[in-house]
Amino acid sequence: DSGVTQTPKHLITATGQRVTLRCSPRSGDLSVYWYQQSLDQGLQFLIQYYNGEERAKGNILERFSAQQFPDLHSELNLSSLELGDSALYFCASSVESQGSRFFGPGTRLTVL
Amino acid sequence: QKEVEQDPGPLSVPEGAIVSLNCTYSNSAFQYFMWYRQYSRKGPELLMYTYSSGNKEDGRFTAQVDKSSKYISLFIRDSQPSDSATYLCAMSYTGGFKTIFGAGTRLFVKA
Repeated sequence: DSGVTQTPKHLITATGQRVTLRCSPRSGDLSVYWYQQSLDQGLQFLIQYYNGEERAKGNILERFSAQQFPDLHSELNLSSLELGDSALYFCASSVESQGSRFFGPGTRLTVL
Repeated sequence: QKEVEQDPGPLSVPEGAIVSLNCTYSNSAFQYFMWYRQYSRKGPELLMYTYSSGNKEDGRFTAQVDKSSKYISLFIRDSQPSDSATYLCAMSYTGGFKTIFGAGTRLFVKA
């Protein structure tokens, strides 16, 4: 158990809908990273937050947004969902910004 | 060209073999180097974490970083069937902005 929690574990929704994925980092970790993992794209970095502020952006679509709250948990919002958004979404955390050290179990999103 | 290149395999070895997994990269700004193990449908698990060049050993695992050649390796000694998984290399820049992952190498250790 990495100490990073993610909810929900599974999410099934329809195209055009909006969903919110939640991540709680390990106790004491200030950085939160979001990743998308699909069969054809591998593990893709989406966005990083550090102590409530956006620190880095990767290949995140404009339909996606994220935030980190004062209690350091983070939410990833995915809107206008498309079939191609079906993937595993992972959250990771670390104390500083030295890289994604601890991963959560992921949320499996299926868009029908 | 991808920033991080990793042979996806699959790599199949007999139990007890020494496994060598490798990645190359193109950006000399990478300072932090990591290896993860990922079982099917699970989150990646951090195995090794190194800063800059050199070797690091942890039990049956040894990580090597050669920054002059932009080449990193993970060696697994006395491989076990439970080591069967996908191994991902990853690296991040100085200051820790975004981590770039390799495609992952699928490893099968046969009993």
